[in-house]
Amino acid sequence: KAGVTQTPRYLIKTRGQQVTLSCSPISGHRSVSWYQQTPGQGLQFLFEYFSETQRNKGNFPGRFSGRQFSNSRSEMNVSTLELGDSALYLCASSSIPTDMSSYEQYFGPGTRLTVT
Amino acid sequence: QKEVEQDPGPLSVPEGAIVSLNCTYSNSAFQYFMWYRQYSRKGPELLMYTYSSGNKEDGRFTAQVDKSSKYISLFIRDSQPSDSATYLCAMRGDNFNKFYFGSGTKLNVKP
Repeated sequence: KAGVTQTPRYLIKTRGQQVTLSCSPISGHRSVSWYQQTPGQGLQFLFEYFSETQRNKGNFPGRFSGRQFSNSRSEMNVSTLELGDSALYLCASSSIPTDMSSYEQYFGPGTRLTVT
Repeated sequence: QKEVEQDPGPLSVPEGAIVSLNCTYSNSAFQYFMWYRQYSRKGPELLMYTYSSGNKEDGRFTAQVDKSSKYISLFIRDSQPSDSATYLCAMRGDNFNKFYFGSGTKLNVKP
């Protein structure tokens, strides 16, 4: 069974540009979560999607947005990039929503975004 | 104050040593506690999961949760160089769908 895939793996952008990252969850998984990982802040939750609907959102500005398609693939978009957006962006998929009993999140390898 | 605090290390130990990794947290509503291992240039992988207080053992790994102290630990026995990685703790509550992660502790096991 293929794991979570993320594209691209590496990206370099300049301030002010926008970027779109893609995540394909494990086959059959319908919940996709996005995280930002930086050395200073660690892993921070961005948002979670289930059945094309955003169910939860972290404390990030509106420049960060996402969506999920009917095949469960998800994209996240960052507009007006800032230097502080440089990070590893991780996508995680779950077989069922992250409700009270679910704990299994399978992470992809991440997209390393560098903003110059 | 962060919801979850974790010493970033790095922690360097000789092969065969017992390793103790810890996290503290502030939210008493957290009920689910997890440990992830992250190798360089890879995404985190789930190692251990515990619910509420208590211990859980899996091979060389033991996870402990002390809810009264808001403190969780991961012990690695007979550490191996292949255990060298960053270890992340994570937690969430019954009514939350969001995971809260520690910043990770970098472990180096020297042969």
